Amino acid sequence: EVQLVESGGGLVKPGGSLRLSCAASGFTFSTYNMNWVRQAPGKGLEWVSSISSSGNYIYYADSVKGRFAISRDNAKNSLYLQMNNLRVDDTAVYYCARHDWGFDYWGQGTLVTVSS
Amino acid sequence: QSALTQPASVSGSPGQSITIACTGTSSDVGSSNLVSWYQQHPGKAPKLMIYEVNKRPSGVSNRFSGSKSGNTASLTISGLQAADEADYSCCSYAGTGTYVFGSGTKVTVV
Repeated sequence: EVQLVESGGGLVKPGGSLRLSCAASGFTFSTYNMNWVRQAPGKGLEWVSSISSSGNYIYYADSVKGRFAISRDNAKNSLYLQMNNLRVDDTAVYYCARHDWGFDYWGQGTLVTVSS
Repeated sequence: QSALTQPASVSGSPGQSITIACTGTSSDVGSSNLVSWYQQHPGKAPKLMIYEVNKRPSGVSNRFSGSKSGNTASLTISGLQAADEADYSCCSYAGTGTYVFGSGTKVTVV
């Protein structure tokens, strides 16, 4: 059974940093592109970042470019999102999602709250 | 990277059919077959319902179908059921490795 489990969310002050993790199991992690997708309270989904299976290709939404960094460790079946210089409008549930022909598996999400 | 446009809400009676439109631009929906649709119940993670415009993942009811014309993609739910009441979001590949989601539509079964 495919499982994606996010962790690392919490309350942080504006300008602070946080590192999210996503532990994957039930599939060959190293062969899939992975993504972070977020959802602000009461709002729609927003694609944040993607990383290719090998880690060689990385893409970001304009809203996080220069502040967030996606990475993966295929030996540990794990995906990461380093978030720096956090802003109030980064407050959201952050989902880890596998991409095949669509975002076919999602984690349960981890809540990041940016507030003073 | 502006969000794709969806109606805020759509409603229908049990057994009816409803269609949700998702309007983008020639840079995303209009130039990509990587259009997908997601169902999300309150407090839950999204679930893939349609990929590549009109393909259904294994296990998704054939009451759900997708199509595209120009810059607009559509999701049709036929034989509406109470369990279909949820939020639905479209998503399109937007070039250079990026994706854009729609604004989301709340489906109500009245």
